[in-house]
Parts: sequence; C-alpha cells; structure tokens
Amino acid sequence: GAGVSQTPSNKVTEKGKYVELRCDPISGHTALYWYRQSLGQGPEFLIYFQGTGAADDSGLPNDRFFAVRPEGSVSTLKIQRTERGDSAVYLCASSAAGKTDTQYFGPGTRLTVL
Amino acid sequence: RKEVEQDPGPFNVPEGATVAFNCTYSNSASQSFFWYRQDCRKEPKLLMSVYSSGNEDGRFTAQLNRASQYISLLIRDSKLSDSATYLCAVNNNDMRFGAGTRLTVKP
Repeated sequence: GAGVSQTPSNKVTEKGKYVELRCDPISGHTALYWYRQSLGQGPEFLIYFQGTGAADDSGLPNDRFFAVRPEGSVSTLKIQRTERGDSAVYLCASSAAGKTDTQYFGPGTRLTVL
Repeated sequence: RKEVEQDPGPFNVPEGATVAFNCTYSNSASQSFFWYRQDCRKEPKLLMSVYSSGNEDGRFTAQLNRASQYISLLIRDSKLSDSATYLCAVNNNDMRFGAGTRLTVKP
C-alpha cells in the first residue's frame, strides 16, 4: 500500500516568510510525528499527534512552529517568520497506534530559508 | 550527554567483511529500540526492531543489553549495497535518534 507522503519535496523561502509543509500518513495510522533533521544529525522530534490532538508538542523549538491534524489524517506543519536556522529536512512519520509502535517515515521536505 | 550516542564513523570495509555498530542510550526506562537505515538524501527506513532476546534477519543481527544500556547491529558478509548511514532509535515516550554511523562497503 501507499506509504507516508509529504509535499512539497523542496521548499525555498526567504527569511521572515510563512511556510506550510504537508504530511499524508499511511492510511489507518492513528499516530503521526514530525521530526527535523539537520545535516549530519539524526531526526529530532518535534510533535506527536494521536488522532486529531497534539499529544506531545514538547519538541517544537518555539512558538513560530505549529502543527495541526484537523481530521486525524493529513497534518500540516506551519512555520511563521522563518529564520535561516530553520533550514533542514522536515520528516513526517506515522505508526499504527501508539508511540512504541514502529514508525514509518515519509520522504521529507527539504526547507531552505535564504 | 546526548540521550542516544553513536560512533559517527565512517566505517570503510571491504565486501564480505563483518562490521558491528554500537549505540548507547542514557534513559534506563526506554521501552523499544530500532535500527534504521538512511541513504543519502532519503528518509530513514526501518531495518529491524531490537528485542531483548536479540534478533536476526538474514545477514543482520541486533542485540540489546539493558544492563549496559546499549544496542548493537552486526552485519555479516557486507555488500556494496549496505553502504548507508545506520541510525539507532530509542523510544521512551518520544523516539530519540542517534546521529548515525556511516558505513561504506568497498569492492
């Protein structure tokens, strides 16, 4: 079946702009995660959704970052007033049920802030 | 100290070699453990889960040592196609990843 999909695959924006990154999880997966990966590092946890609610947003670096999952499927990660330090690959993952389940990653969105 | 630590490598080995990676974690309450493989500019892909009793999948063997808080990955008979970065992941409420170990298998 279809895996996790993310759009766009690449996004170039200017400092100070607003961006939205989209994630479509594996069908039927209730848990969805956002990570950020910088060059030479492993993925860094940002936020976890169980259904429609953000069960854990402790990884969001500051209040410029926000994510929603209004219908419990597709999620959007929103970044306001982007900064050059936000440049990274933003990965989405989903799992069947809870946090201890295996997570399957999407291809990521490469965000470049100029 | 980072929650999950890996030797970044790179490990450069000839085809057919056996290579082993370790990954240490700091949270003794961690519940589940995984090895992921990540190719350049691609997403991490699950290689295998790591169970307390150890597990094997073809040329790959994963072990967990809870007392010493590390997991290991052994690759036997390395292939050129095994060249990648290997990420360990440790789950205790949140999934924490190591920075990865880079493996290059050479002819």
